[in-house]
Order: sequence, then structure tokens, then C-alpha cells
Amino acid sequence: EVQLVESGGGLVQPGGSLRLSCAASGFRFSRYWMSWVRQAPGKGLEWVANIKQDGSHKYYVDSVKGRFTISRDNAKNSLYLQMNSLRAEDTAVYYCARGEDCGGDCYSYYFDYWGQGSLVTVSS
Amino acid sequence: SYELTQPPSVSVSPGQTARITCSGDALPKQYAYWYRQKPGQAPVMVISKDTERPSGIPERFSGSSSGTIVTLTISGVQAEDEADYYCQSADSSGNSLVFGGGTKLTVL
Repeated sequence: EVQLVESGGGLVQPGGSLRLSCAASGFRFSRYWMSWVRQAPGKGLEWVANIKQDGSHKYYVDSVKGRFTISRDNAKNSLYLQMNSLRAEDTAVYYCARGEDCGGDCYSYYFDYWGQGSLVTVSS
Repeated sequence: SYELTQPPSVSVSPGQTARITCSGDALPKQYAYWYRQKPGQAPVMVISKDTERPSGIPERFSGSSSGTIVTLTISGVQAEDEADYYCQSADSSGNSLVFGGGTKLTVL
């Protein structure tokens, strides 16, 4: 059974930093693209970032470029999101999501499994 | 930035057919995906690559595509189908993933 479990959320002041983790199990983690998707309270879904199987390619939504960094450790079956210079508008539930199992130069376009999410609140 | 447009709400009676549309300029070139999200839960994919139904999704869920509009159709709607539904695709560059604003399906 595929499982994705996020951790590391909490309350942080504006300008602060936080690191989210996602522990994956039930599938060969190193074969899949992985993503972070967020949802502000009462709002819709927003893709944040994704990372290729070997970590060689990373993509971000414009609003987090230069502030957030996605990374992974395939030996630990874990995905991370380092969030710096946090703003009130970053307040959201952050979901870890699995992408495609595709090789070569392919890009991952969807999310077939999701974790339950980790709440990040940016407030003074 | 690229946008996908969905109606904010759709209402149907049990047993009827619900249709939720999603429009976007890049949809003729990029596949669309649909997700269902119930309150307090994570999203679940219900349609992949415009028309494919993932394993475990009931046959009453189907997808179609025509030009810049994709449609999620739920036939014989049941009370348990009440949820928020999101379309998702990529922009014309293919590197930026985008969600529609979501549609709240109400089963009367």
C-alpha cells in the first residue's frame, strides 16, 4: 500500500524558516517524480514544486522561487521542502504527492497518491 | 500566468448526471486530470489523461475533451459524490502545473 506521511509543519513568524518532510513507503520511491502541493485555508489547490527521480531537475511555482527548495533522499525514501523567508500567504496545508514513474527526459504531469498534509501557519 | 477556469458550483439531484467543465488555452496540447476532495481529506485522482479512469474509481466517472474545454461527467450521481472537484493540467511550456479553482458539487 502506498503511503505518504508529511511532518514538520507548525507555527512560524513571517520571515522565518521551516522544513517539511515526507516519508514514503509501499512503492519504489526512487522511480517516481515527487511533488509538493498546498492548499490555503478554504481555498483551492496550488502546485508548489516537483523533483525528478534522481533530483537532477526541480521546478517551482513562481511565487516560491528563490525561497523554497525541494529535495529528496532516495536512500531514506524521503522528500523535503525547505521553506525560507516565509510570508503570511504561505499559510496552507502542504501535501506530498507522487508523480509519474517515467524514464529518460519525461516530465511528470499528475499526482496519483497524496499524503494527508501538514499545516504551516505563518503569523506573528 | 496560465489559468484553468471551472464553475464555482454545480448542483444535481441523486441519480441525475453532473457535468463539470474546465477551460484553458493549453488544453488542446496538454492532458487534463481531475481530482475529488471531500472535506478534511486529501485529493483523490478520478480521471487521468482526459479520459482514463484510475483503478478503483467507479464507472460513473468519465472524462472528455473538446478543444479548450475538458469535462468531468458523473452519471447517476450519489450522495457520496458530494465534494470539491479540481481539474489540473500544465501550461504550454509543460513545466508549470496548474489547478483550476475547483467546483463544489452539491447533491440535492
